[in-house]
Amino acid sequence: GENVEQHPSTLSVQEGDSAVIKCTYSDSASNYFPWYKQELGKRPQLIIDIRSNVGEKKDQRIAVTLNKTAKHFSLHITETQPEDSAVYFCAASRPGYALNFGKGTSLLVTP
Amino acid sequence: GAGVSQTPSNKVTEKGKYVELRCDPISGHTALYWYRQSLGQGPEFLIYFQGTGAADDSGLPNDRFFAVRPEGSVSTLKIQRTERGDSAVYLCASSLTPHFAASDTQYFGPGTRLTVL
Repeated sequence: GENVEQHPSTLSVQEGDSAVIKCTYSDSASNYFPWYKQELGKRPQLIIDIRSNVGEKKDQRIAVTLNKTAKHFSLHITETQPEDSAVYFCAASRPGYALNFGKGTSLLVTP
Repeated sequence: GAGVSQTPSNKVTEKGKYVELRCDPISGHTALYWYRQSLGQGPEFLIYFQGTGAADDSGLPNDRFFAVRPEGSVSTLKIQRTERGDSAVYLCASSLTPHFAASDTQYFGPGTRLTVL
């Protein structure tokens, strides 16, 4: 089955700096790669997703890149703000199947 | 519109007891997923429904776990003879219409925190 690895497990940045979280996946049939943000005690919220027919997608301060050949994808957050502090999860799935999640990255943005 | 809802929000039970966890998906969403999230971990897949039928139950850890979705909307996750290791947050998600050409966004409920004493 699919195996998703996520790094780093914790990340601390200064407000205004950029943050990058990286994930790798094992199943070459996976074609959907969402990123979820989860605040303490809350539900995971989708922040951005990418499908295998594109290499990059951007939404304001958030961008995701996908390298299908290398089977890795990354989340980039620019101009970080304290409210970006949360746990971020990457996931991968093949068509019609459930998501396989990484173990998460705890991001702390310090003022 | 209303999002995915789950009840109860918290459930405390004793080892060996039976529990039921309920999920109300977004109206019109045909796919429904159950995940389990332990502290410090990502959600772990349990079972996926497409309509009334279980399309994939390969994530259920053992035969103490069972889920139903009799009318293709609300789903109930049932755990028999609960064990302390079952303690976790049980998350439900729904999506519009996954098919074999694409995957749709999954929207998560707030979860049920299950504690087995």
